[in-house]
Amino acid sequence: QKEVEQNSGPLSVPEGAIASLNCTYSDRVSQSFFWYRQYSGKSPELIMSIYSNGDKEDGRFTAQLNKASQYVSLLIRDSQPSDSATYLCAVISAYSGAGSYQLTFGKGTKLSVIP
Amino acid sequence: DVKVTQSSRYLVKRTGEKVFLECVQDMDHENMFWYRQDPGLGLRLIYFSYDVKMKEKGDIPEGYSVSREKKERFSLILESASTNQTSMYLCASSSRTSGNEQYFGPGTRLTVT
Repeated sequence: QKEVEQNSGPLSVPEGAIASLNCTYSDRVSQSFFWYRQYSGKSPELIMSIYSNGDKEDGRFTAQLNKASQYVSLLIRDSQPSDSATYLCAVISAYSGAGSYQLTFGKGTKLSVIP
Repeated sequence: DVKVTQSSRYLVKRTGEKVFLECVQDMDHENMFWYRQDPGLGLRLIYFSYDVKMKEKGDIPEGYSVSREKKERFSLILESASTNQTSMYLCASSSRTSGNEQYFGPGTRLTVT
């Protein structure tokens, strides 16, 4: 059973600080990794994808991937109260045929940004 | 922008009823998925489809079936609703040519009484 592990939190950070969200995965051959943001009562929204080792930046968000350590993280700089949400890590897992893949999701880390 | 829509935002059904949840995407994605999300259990895959008329079981298919007659539409059917199927149901779609990123619909919160 492929697993994706996240600290459930809640992670509380003051407004303006850097929030660091972490995720580990069990399948060494995974190649694609995603971060989703989910506000309470809403559906997950894709915010970052990363496929290569290293950092990928998009605005205030930076995704970091270390395949050797089977570790992916999301940094949120200058955190805002509007960033308060649950963040889900997802990893490509099973091959579904015809070039398609399933994702395995972590259970999410709840982030609270305190004004 | 990818648009995934679901037929109902909230639904209340009685035990034993047959329930249809419909999902439509407008991005010509090959793959479509049905998940349910429950507190403490995360997202769990019920069924998915990677082509018209193709379907594969996910992790928790018992009590559910699916139909995909057209590329843009993927239906989830609860043959005989039970109270333990009360949940948030989420549909997603993805394209194998764009990294298999999944995009979600707004969800249907189903309550079975």
